[in-house]
Amino acid sequence: GQQLNQSPQSMFIQEGEDVSMNCTSSSIFNTWLWYKQDPGEGPVLLIALYKAGELTSNGRLTAQFGITRKDSFLNISASIPSDVGIYFCAGLGGYQKVTFGIGTKLQVIP
Amino acid sequence: EAEVAQSPRYKITEKSQAVAFWCDPISGHATLYWYRQILGQGPELLVQFQDESVVDDSQLPKDRFSAERLKGVDSTLKIQPAELGDSAMYLCASRRGGMETQYFGPGTRLLVL
Repeated sequence: GQQLNQSPQSMFIQEGEDVSMNCTSSSIFNTWLWYKQDPGEGPVLLIALYKAGELTSNGRLTAQFGITRKDSFLNISASIPSDVGIYFCAGLGGYQKVTFGIGTKLQVIP
Repeated sequence: EAEVAQSPRYKITEKSQAVAFWCDPISGHATLYWYRQILGQGPELLVQFQDESVVDDSQLPKDRFSAERLKGVDSTLKIQPAELGDSAMYLCASRRGGMETQYFGPGTRLLVL
């Protein structure tokens, strides 16, 4: 099945640094969702975006719904060790069908 | 806080055997999804239910996979016979009507030997 492109696919950063990752699609989506998944667990919703151009924050996380509706960005400020995990974007299209990205694996070095 | 429940959390089986996974969505959530997640990839939709009806099962390998949600509440996903390539995490998610966000359960990790 189709999966959205996420970049980078993996990253190592120093604790305290800011992180940026993005998700792109060839299709237009009505809603963008960002999830974090810890090993052996299900994804946990971080942020939901509902309108093109929307910028939404959740603590140290900020996400934006691209104006073309084909991309989205997630930023994490002042990273901490518990930010380690895999971050997935997901686009919601027609008939409420959700398409997930391939994931960005984040490692934080203390 | 209400959560999606799944069981078992882990399952090891031999190929050609039958396996079944159970999901209990958040109370009041009419939409239920089953996803398969292969290691290193994002979740891929297998089947979507609206109440007891299947809305989308286009990616479900129907020769060996079946899913049901008889009373529109909890759901069962079955694989018979299991194949080596079925080893993956099987995730259940639910969504309340009128809301876009899905909430996931902890998943069932399947290993087929």
